[in-house]
Amino acid sequence: AQKVTQAQTEISVVEKEDVTLDCVYETRDTTYYLFWYKQPPSGELVFLIRRNSFDEQNEISGRYSWNFQKSTSSFNFTITASQVVDSAVYFCALSELTGGGNKLTFGTGTQLKVEL
Amino acid sequence: DAGITQSPRHKVTETGTPVTLRCHQTENHRYMYWYRQDPGHGLRLIHYSYGVKDTDKGEVSDGYSVSRSKTEDFLLTLESATSSQTSVYFCAINAGGGLADTQYFGPGTRLTVL
Repeated sequence: AQKVTQAQTEISVVEKEDVTLDCVYETRDTTYYLFWYKQPPSGELVFLIRRNSFDEQNEISGRYSWNFQKSTSSFNFTITASQVVDSAVYFCALSELTGGGNKLTFGTGTQLKVEL
Repeated sequence: DAGITQSPRHKVTETGTPVTLRCHQTENHRYMYWYRQDPGHGLRLIHYSYGVKDTDKGEVSDGYSVSRSKTEDFLLTLESATSSQTSVYFCAINAGGGLADTQYFGPGTRLTVL
């Protein structure tokens, strides 16, 4: 069975600090995809990024960057120069292909609080 | 905006009553999903659908049933609601259903069972 672990339940930082959210996953599949979603206080789930298992090149998009390491089964997410608007719950998810389309296994989420 | 609506957005009901939640999409996507979100558990898959009248169980399907008679609507029914089903329910759609395809979520329904 697939499993996603987000060991950090809650992180508090002061605005402009960098923060990294950890995600560790377990799967027997050789090809898989990993996702990050953001859930702001308003409650909706917002897709942030998707990465595949055969491309370990790290990616930067504005203040966001992602570090994927297959050797350690980790897919960490870093926010540079955090802002109050980054306060949200962040979920890491792993995709599994079934006969009925893909299914996502989510971690339990990390609550990020960015304070002034 | 992925064109997904959920109704109702909030509902309070009593133990033992039937409840139906509706997910409606305007994008004509084949794949639809129901998740529940609970503190300490993240999101867990209840049921999913890969076409009209084609559905399957997810991780936490006990006590729930689903139906999909039209591409655009996916209904989740609690036949006899229990307090343990108090949760936030999210519907999701997926255009392609492939491993790489992204799931997009509706706004959620907050259900309280007293």
